[in-house]
Amino acid sequence: TQTVSQSDAHVTVFEGDSVELRCNYSYGGSIYLSWYIQHHGHGLQFLLKYYSGNPVVQGVNGFEAEFSKSDSSFHLRKASVHWSDSAVYFCAVSARNSNNRIFFGDGTQLVVKP
Amino acid sequence: EAAVTQSPRNKVAVTGGKVTLSCNQTNNHNNMYWYRQDTGHGLRLIHYSYGAGSTEKGDIPDGYKASRPSQENFSLILELATPSQTSVYFCASGGGQYEQYFGPGTRLTVL
Repeated sequence: TQTVSQSDAHVTVFEGDSVELRCNYSYGGSIYLSWYIQHHGHGLQFLLKYYSGNPVVQGVNGFEAEFSKSDSSFHLRKASVHWSDSAVYFCAVSARNSNNRIFFGDGTQLVVKP
Repeated sequence: EAAVTQSPRNKVAVTGGKVTLSCNQTNNHNNMYWYRQDTGHGLRLIHYSYGAGSTEKGDIPDGYKASRPSQENFSLILELATPSQTSVYFCASGGGQYEQYFGPGTRLTVL
């Protein structure tokens, strides 16, 4: 079974700061990694994905994530955050043999202060 | 654009009552999912479906049934609602390994 760990439950930064949201996974086979964003009162929205190739993948609104096989990580980054980036961010992992199930981490609440 | 809708958006039920949560998707996705979201637990999968007529148990199926009468519709049924089932419920559709498209959620309160 795949597992996803997001070590930080809450992250607070100021507008214009850079931010990194951490995600570690455990699974030995071929996996699909993704990040989702959830604004307050809404459902999750897909942000970006990685399966193979360039380990740095770009998403919408200036987000990017970097895959590291050696660290079993898929951290999400943004160079300069805006107050509208305040949301909960979920890391997710899926595998070829998981019958299209996606396993979500517990989420990181990002608060961007003006 | 992908669209998943849920009804009702808010529901107050009494203990022992029957509750049906409905989900409709216009993405033509084969797979649909029901999750509940509680503080401290993240998203937990209740039931899912590979297509019309199929339902599969997720990680926390006890106390819930699911029904997939068509490609577009997937319902979650609580035959005998309990206060422990008070939560926010999300439906999602997905066509593959990466992406699931989520509905806006249903806030259920069982008194």
